This record gives sequence, C-alpha cells and structure tokens, in this order.
Amino acid sequence: AQSVTQLDSQVPVFEEAPVELRCNYSSSVSVYLFWYVQYPNQGLQLLLKYLSGSTLVKGINGFEAEFNKSQTSFHLRKPSVHISDTAEYFCAVSDTSGGSYIPTFGRGTSLIVHP
Amino acid sequence: KAGVTQTPRYLIKTRGQQVTLSCSPISGHRSVSWYQQTPGQGLQFLFEYFSETQRNKGNFPGRFSGRQFSNSRSEMNVSTLELGDSALYLCASRPMLGQVTEKLFFGSGTQLSVL
Repeated sequence: AQSVTQLDSQVPVFEEAPVELRCNYSSSVSVYLFWYVQYPNQGLQLLLKYLSGSTLVKGINGFEAEFNKSQTSFHLRKPSVHISDTAEYFCAVSDTSGGSYIPTFGRGTSLIVHP
Repeated sequence: KAGVTQTPRYLIKTRGQQVTLSCSPISGHRSVSWYQQTPGQGLQFLFEYFSETQRNKGNFPGRFSGRQFSNSRSEMNVSTLELGDSALYLCASRPMLGQVTEKLFFGSGTQLSVL
C-alpha cells in the first residue's frame, strides 16, 4: 500500500514570487506520481505526471516537479505565480503493480496568491 | 466533447435518509470512479466501475454502493446518512481500466450536506 503526505495545508505567497509545494510518499514498490489542481467550484485537472525517464517533469501553466527517489519526494514548483494560480493542489501516487493504477491522493495544499 | 457531468450540484439531506448521485462520463470513457472529498481527509477512493461491474473498492462501509449502466453512466447511493457523510463527491472517468498513462477526468462534484 502507498501513502502520500503533503506537508503544508496552506501556502500563502505574493504574486510573481516563486513557490514550492511539498509532497512525500511511501511505497514498498515503484510508483507513478501525479499533481492535480482544483480551482474553486471545479473538479480536479491533471497538472503533470511522472511515469519514468527524466526526473524533472514539466506540466501545464508553467509548473514543474522533480522526482527524488532517495528522498521519496515529488515537490511541485513554479518560478513566478499569478493570482489565477490560487487553487487546491493534490499530490497523488499510484503503484506500478496490481494493474488497477488507482491513485492515492494527499490531503491537498491550498495555494493562496496575494496581489 | 462534453466533460464529466455530475448531478445534482448540491444536495441537502437529513440523517437516516438515503441519497443517489449521478455521473455521466466523457463520451467513450468506460471506467468511472467515485471519490469522497472532505477538508480533513482530502480525496478518498470509494470505488471504480467498468463494463457495469465494480472492479476496485476503497475502504468505505457497505452503506456506500454504486452501479454502472450499459451506457457507462454511473450512480452512487448512500443509505442511512450520517453527519460525517457531508462531503463533496467527485466522479472521474477514463477510457479504460488499468491505464496509468490515461489521466482521470473529474466532474465538478456533488456537494452533499447532511443535517
């Protein structure tokens, strides 16, 4: 079984500042990793995913994440945030065995961008 | 293509009642999953249906059930409602089972309030 820990429940930041949202996972097998974003009153949308290959993954809206196997982390970063990035961000992990690939989600991090 | 459609958007029920939520997946998608989202727990997996059969199940009591119809539309039922069932219920679809490369497409959810 796998689990996901999002270390910060809320991250306030000023517009145009850089941001990092932290995600750590635990699993006894190899994993696939995802970041989803949920804007107010909407469902979740996939930002980016790591399946294999390069550990630096680029996603939509200028976000990127780096897979660090030794630290079991998959932190999300953006060099300069906009007001429109205010949303809930979810990290998710899916193990590579079993075949169902049902992702386990973290509890979410609320990114609040101030003008 | 229309997105994942969930109805109703809001529901208010009292303890002990039962409720049925509906989800229409993206056309051509045959897998439908249900998640419960609460502020404290984040997203928790309820179950996944494919070809009218429940294929995967999360750790929820038997009061939570679902079904899928031949057109892939799905319904979720919660019987004997408890206050703790108040949550946003999200439906997600994907083309097939077990394809980690295929992202989940989420609906906007049904907000259930139990009084």
